[in-house]
Amino acid sequence: AQSVTQPDIHITVSEGASLELRCNYSYGATPYLFWYVQSPGQGLQLLLKYFSGDTLVQGIKGFEAEFKRSQSSFNLRKPSVHWSDAAEYFCAVGALGNTGKLIFGQGTTLQVKP
Amino acid sequence: DTAVSQTPKYLVTQMGNDKSIKCEQNLGHDTMYWYKQDSKKFLKIMFSYNNKELIINETVPNRFSPKSPDKAHLNLHINSLELGDSAVYFCASSQDGQGHYGYTFGSGTRLTVV
Repeated sequence: AQSVTQPDIHITVSEGASLELRCNYSYGATPYLFWYVQSPGQGLQLLLKYFSGDTLVQGIKGFEAEFKRSQSSFNLRKPSVHWSDAAEYFCAVGALGNTGKLIFGQGTTLQVKP
Repeated sequence: DTAVSQTPKYLVTQMGNDKSIKCEQNLGHDTMYWYKQDSKKFLKIMFSYNNKELIINETVPNRFSPKSPDKAHLNLHINSLELGDSAVYFCASSQDGQGHYGYTFGSGTRLTVV
């Protein structure tokens, strides 16, 4: 069955430090992969997506993610974190069957220390 | 102009009541979704509609009934509310029925059943 795992429930980084949020997926074909960010009391905003092609994907707010098929991973990175990046981050995979359904990971809470 | 708007933002109601949540998108998207986010922030799809046609109907109690009067609107009606229905409900839309472009989410409706 398809699934998405975000191994880190909670991550704390200092402002200005680099960030990597992990995402592993289980999928039977070439996946459609997404990263979303949720600020407190808000809906989810799409950061970036991967369909095919270049495995390094650039997104909004200075984020990027790298698709590694051999590791079934799609990790999110940012070279220098800002305090405003504190939020909940969700990785998602498009489900088989092309129904539009997304399967989400359980999320990673990012805390930024001043 | 809000792309995907949900009303109300907060809903507090007693067990046994019937309530509705409304969703509208002005993006011209073909497909709309309802997701439920539980207290652990886990997101799970409930329903999707493509141009007023029901596409996804996950294992959801019959007390939940979606209605799509046109492709810009997807409402969620809940009968006989139970304590376990307390959650944040998100409406979302996507450009196509396969979700290849990701979703645009509304800001959510926090439902509290007392």
